[in-house]
Amino acid sequence: GQNIDQPTEMTATEGAIVQINCTYQTSGFNGLFWYQQHAGEAPTFLSYNVLDGLEEKGRFSSFLSRSKGYSYLLLKELQMKDSASYLCAALNQAGTALIFGKGTTLSVSS
Amino acid sequence: DSGVTQTPKHLITATGQRVTLRCSPRSGDLSVYWYQQSLDQGLQFLIQYYNGEERAKGNILERFSAQQFPDLHSELNLSSLELGDSALYFCASSPQIPDGPYNEQFFGPGTRLTVL
Repeated sequence: GQNIDQPTEMTATEGAIVQINCTYQTSGFNGLFWYQQHAGEAPTFLSYNVLDGLEEKGRFSSFLSRSKGYSYLLLKELQMKDSASYLCAALNQAGTALIFGKGTTLSVSS
Repeated sequence: DSGVTQTPKHLITATGQRVTLRCSPRSGDLSVYWYQQSLDQGLQFLIQYYNGEERAKGNILERFSAQQFPDLHSELNLSSLELGDSALYFCASSPQIPDGPYNEQFFGPGTRLTVL
């Protein structure tokens, strides 16, 4: 079967650091994506991991452990505009489909 | 702006009706994907086309069908509409063949379908 789990909601304050976890079980695996989605808008690409380890891109970092079926997205120096839904998605082996989790709604307060 | 366009932006229709959603991929992208996003289900993959050919199917109902035309734009046809079909429908495109090493998908702005 295919299953992507991530927390439904998280809250944090401006300037803080937050880690959004994602666990996945998929039949075949070809990489793990993180997307950001503001309400009513299109998802926008944040990061892609296919090998174990940490990928850093500015204030955002993403980590993958293939053996544990686990990833996290780390957001540093939080800003109000980071309030959004963060979607974890696994790409299947054939590269034909992204399997999305239901998303984590992050609320950043001042 | 991802470069993927979708029309219409909003669509309101009645149960039992049929609608067509349209998507134009980014210039040069051969793969088009359709997703449905409802409040309780999250983003669900429906179907993928590559260069005019159906490549993969996800959770697409038999009442739904899609095609990709020679100019690479795609249409998603939804028929015998039910209240539960109300959702955001996203189209995405990607530049590479599906079994390439990195398959980032660029999403369009979506079509919000409301079935009354």
